[in-house]
Amino acid sequence: DAKTTQPPSMDCAEGRAANLPCNHSTISGNEYVYWYRQIHSQGPQYIIHGLKNNETNEMASLIITEDRKSSTLILPHATLRDTAVYYCIVRGLFGNEKLTFGTGTRLTIIP
Amino acid sequence: EAGVVQSPRYKIIEKKQPVAFWCNPISGHNTLYWYRQNLGQGPELLIRYENEEAVDDSQLPKDRFSAERLKGVDSTLKIQPAELGDSAVYLCASSLDADSFDTQYFGPGTRLTVL
Repeated sequence: DAKTTQPPSMDCAEGRAANLPCNHSTISGNEYVYWYRQIHSQGPQYIIHGLKNNETNEMASLIITEDRKSSTLILPHATLRDTAVYYCIVRGLFGNEKLTFGTGTRLTIIP
Repeated sequence: EAGVVQSPRYKIIEKKQPVAFWCNPISGHNTLYWYRQNLGQGPELLIRYENEEAVDDSQLPKDRFSAERLKGVDSTLKIQPAELGDSAVYLCASSLDADSFDTQYFGPGTRLTVL
């Protein structure tokens, strides 16, 4: 059962910030928000995860709303290599929780 | 550091034939996963191993699919006999342990076409 809702596709101009939204209105207190991406013909790649605080790493920033019902992945300066399908995943704290992928957002970076 | 290695990258077979996929995880990773990804969909977990033990195989179609990880390192996923609906990309992933904080690293996958 999908726990997240994402737009099927988005475009972003090269060099601009790409903001990918995700709705997870049924998230529970012990569930994290994970983001993975999948470039064509490759396996998924981990980007970032967070619980309730905003997170930033070398790849992206994750902004989680205060009620935790939605989040936004931000790629600050999108390049053509960021063209991929981006998956937002809600996953519990416990070790036996699997990654449940939805259909993701296909992000296309426009030159 | 080498990533997750899978072979072959592509496989075309006729229905009712057997097929096998091989995965070598990142060195030191105790947890290994097999996923199946249908066209236009996200990956779906088939089986998860903790060392050599299959701890979650609830989504593995056991009538025709089998998997093994004999020495707790590399793994093989087999389909016998293959059906048309088995055409998909089969992805292998590994992580240090099954803890939720452990990142799963994916291989490039094996694209299976059943004719």
